[in-house]
Amino acid sequence: QKEVEQNSGPLSVPEGAIASLNCTYSDRGSQSFFWYRQYSGKSPELIMFIYSNGDKEDGRFTAQLNKASQYVSLLIRDSQPSDSATYLCAGWGYRGTASKLTFGTGTRLQVTL
Amino acid sequence: DAGVTQSPTHLIKTRGQQVTLRCSPKSGHDTVSWYQQALGQGPQFIFQYYEEEERQRGNFPDRFSGHQFPNYSSELNVNALLLGDSALYLCASSSWTTGGDTQYFGPGTRLTVL
Repeated sequence: QKEVEQNSGPLSVPEGAIASLNCTYSDRGSQSFFWYRQYSGKSPELIMFIYSNGDKEDGRFTAQLNKASQYVSLLIRDSQPSDSATYLCAGWGYRGTASKLTFGTGTRLQVTL
Repeated sequence: DAGVTQSPTHLIKTRGQQVTLRCSPKSGHDTVSWYQQALGQGPQFIFQYYEEEERQRGNFPDRFSGHQFPNYSSELNVNALLLGDSALYLCASSSWTTGGDTQYFGPGTRLTVL
């Protein structure tokens, strides 16, 4: 079982709709979770992070965390064509003396006109 | 405020050669982590450096080694290159004193091994 799992997609949504990206994790020691956006050929760009159960909103983005279900999600409201990218979910926790981010394989989002 | 920088941008090597990649962390950051991202995959953790020491290593062979300098910049060295080492190599910086969790990535180095 992978530590962080995501549906590879592609997830296709029309412009203006809500995109819902999901992620599950197996390591209960993970303390916080990060969503990165990665355009093709570029490096990951941090969008949001969440530490506590519940929702966290930042502009058009809402991250949701449910530690009991080991589930993280990212909602993108009013999706725009510029949101078309791969979204990486990552869990963070201490492993020994260092912290480590563990990534899923990413979900490709396509926002159609 | 300078972000994370990496050099070179692209690199082409042949099997068996050695390569050195470089990274300068974001201003105010003291911790550097290196990741390998193969096509269609998420980044895989290679190792992390803080206070010029390797603090944690992922599942990568000893052919992968690194170094951190007093100015917090870092190098990733890969010896005896294999075709499978072709990937995007990402450097991420963070601050150890604030927990080290929020990591910012550089633009990456695309390594092609022929």
